[in-house]
Amino acid sequence: DTGVSQDPRHKITKRGQNVTFRCDPISEHNRLYWYRQTLGQGPEFLTYFQNEAQLEKSRLLSDRFSAERPKGSFSTLEIQRTEQGDSAMYLCASRPESGNTIYFGEGSWLTVV
Amino acid sequence: RKEVEQDPGPFNVPEGATVAFNCTYSNSASQSFFWYRQDCRKEPKLLMSVYSSGNEDGRFTAQLNRASQYISLLIRDSKLSDSATYLCVVADSGGYQKVTFGTGTKLQVIP
Repeated sequence: DTGVSQDPRHKITKRGQNVTFRCDPISEHNRLYWYRQTLGQGPEFLTYFQNEAQLEKSRLLSDRFSAERPKGSFSTLEIQRTEQGDSAMYLCASRPESGNTIYFGEGSWLTVV
Repeated sequence: RKEVEQDPGPFNVPEGATVAFNCTYSNSASQSFFWYRQDCRKEPKLLMSVYSSGNEDGRFTAQLNRASQYISLLIRDSKLSDSATYLCVVADSGGYQKVTFGTGTKLQVIP
């Protein structure tokens, strides 16, 4: 499967714990996005990478959230000191340099209890 | 005002019906437009891009009105399998190409 891959697919954590999600984009896609989606809402933009550079961060991305893409390939999204309001599906997407279509991973579901 | 606004749902329609979804966007510099389909608890998947001249893909027709900053999706002869949430997506111009999703419109096709 050469699509966007996310891991883990599901994570249940206690409030206050840290969690990290990983995204492997489609090979050679230089653009990578993270979105958050809650039930009944569309995906909300969190951050964007072009290669290894993080070019944009949403105000939704508080200081408890950090994202990296160290070698311009896979990316990680870390949430520190999780809160119940962080419970959502975290979607990663990638896009080629010359194309418009955005390809999504299957998402990582986070439940904070 | 939200950057991308869609019709509130849900739309409950009988099989065979024609249904239309509307979407408006606020950034006049937006460059690319799409409709994505999302099944319950799944990731969004591209349904179709929207071109200035309008485009059709089988039972689906998408139209764009740049002057009114308005996008539409028409589904003819609805099938049970069309039941899903339809997301309007707008990408800005420029090197970053910010991509913004609407909240989605839920369609339920009833037998």
